[in-house]
Amino acid sequence: RKEVEQDPGPFNVPEGATVAFNCTYSNSASQSFFWYRQDCRKEPKLLMSVYSSGNEDGRFTAQLNRASQYISLLIRDSKLSDSATYLCVVAAAGNKLTFGGGTRVLVKP
Amino acid sequence: NAGVTQTPKFQVLKTGQSMTLQCAQDMNHEYMSWYRQDPGMGLRLIHYSVGAGITDQGEVPNGYNVSRSTTEDFPLRLLSAAPSQTSVYFCASSYWLAGAGETQYFGPGTRLLVL
Repeated sequence: RKEVEQDPGPFNVPEGATVAFNCTYSNSASQSFFWYRQDCRKEPKLLMSVYSSGNEDGRFTAQLNRASQYISLLIRDSKLSDSATYLCVVAAAGNKLTFGGGTRVLVKP
Repeated sequence: NAGVTQTPKFQVLKTGQSMTLQCAQDMNHEYMSWYRQDPGMGLRLIHYSVGAGITDQGEVPNGYNVSRSTTEDFPLRLLSAAPSQTSVYFCASSYWLAGAGETQYFGPGTRLLVL
């Protein structure tokens, strides 16, 4: 079993719709959680950290469920520019980062 | 600030050749790392460094070598290229705390094809 698993997608989303997807992790000692965004043939960039209480950044909402060991990302009012691959990243002590394989989102007009 | 820079952007090698992928950052980050990204596999850690003179192996270190003589530079050496090393290589840097998960800043990547 992979340490961090994501549905690879693609999630085909009409412009203006809401899309949500999860990421599961196996290491119960994981301490920090992140979503990174990666555009085609580009480097990953931090989208947002995920806090225990859940957090929002504009149209993006991230949630953490420690009991079930997953994090989620919800995108409201999807824009064409949201088309990208979203990487789930889980960090343990000592800055040990584990990346998921990514979830591809395609927003269509 | 240039951030994290990588050279070359693209490279084609023949099996058995060696080469060095360059990575530099100007943010005075202690932590630097190399990842490879293959389809469906996510990013996998090759080697990392928590400061000048200190390096350690990641998840997939075989066939690669690193050194860290300065804070700014962290080159990755392929000793004898193999087709299995065809991949996209990303260098990343961040501040280093004993806790978990500083924001990683990635370079633009090097696309390597080994024939």
